[in-house]
Amino acid sequence: SQQGEEDPQALSIQEGENATMNCSYKTSINNLQWYRQNSGRGLVHLILIRSNEREKHSGRLRVTLDTSKKSSSLLITASRAADTASYFCATVVSGANSKLTFGKGITLSVRP
Amino acid sequence: KAGVTQTPRYLIKTRGQQVTLSCSPISGHRSVSWYQQTPGQGLQFLFEYFSETQRNKGNFPGRFSGRQFSNSRSEMNVSTLELGDSALYLCASSRGWEAKNIQYFGAGTRLSVL
Repeated sequence: SQQGEEDPQALSIQEGENATMNCSYKTSINNLQWYRQNSGRGLVHLILIRSNEREKHSGRLRVTLDTSKKSSSLLITASRAADTASYFCATVVSGANSKLTFGKGITLSVRP
Repeated sequence: KAGVTQTPRYLIKTRGQQVTLSCSPISGHRSVSWYQQTPGQGLQFLFEYFSETQRNKGNFPGRFSGRQFSNSRSEMNVSTLELGDSALYLCASSRGWEAKNIQYFGAGTRLSVL
């Protein structure tokens, strides 16, 4: 089963609005990462947040992490049509032989 | 600096055939990971190589195999192809072998099995 589960599965907003995407996971993590994928292309790393961090910012992106609830959120402020893509959270579980485990992704559509 | 390069971009094969996909990581990156992406299963981890050694393996049958060369380039092979192997295969590289590092993805190879 997936370690990370994103919510909602699809999101449609108007340009200029904020987009909030959520991710829940099941086991203790070392870090959590968010990636973006444009249609049928490779993934692009957006931001990494470590288990001892609560919030990180990068440009129009804000990520929060609540380890007690095993959840994270990605906020994109002032969205643009170019933000239309699929967004994935990926977790790195604590321990040896750790690997990135991806959720199934959120499809974000930003209407111009 | 050049990104991760995957070749070929598209492949069409028939059931029972075998296929080899290639991945050239970013210069200086020694870790290469492979993923299979399908609409139904999402992104599934196949395996990870570091310094020519397989460090981690996902839950895929033995028909899926890989290797890494001394220049960090990697290949994955799928033998006796099945219809369900149709997918986008993604390669990612990172500096170290621990997945805590940020992964840089190639554009992928889209494999269609007929």
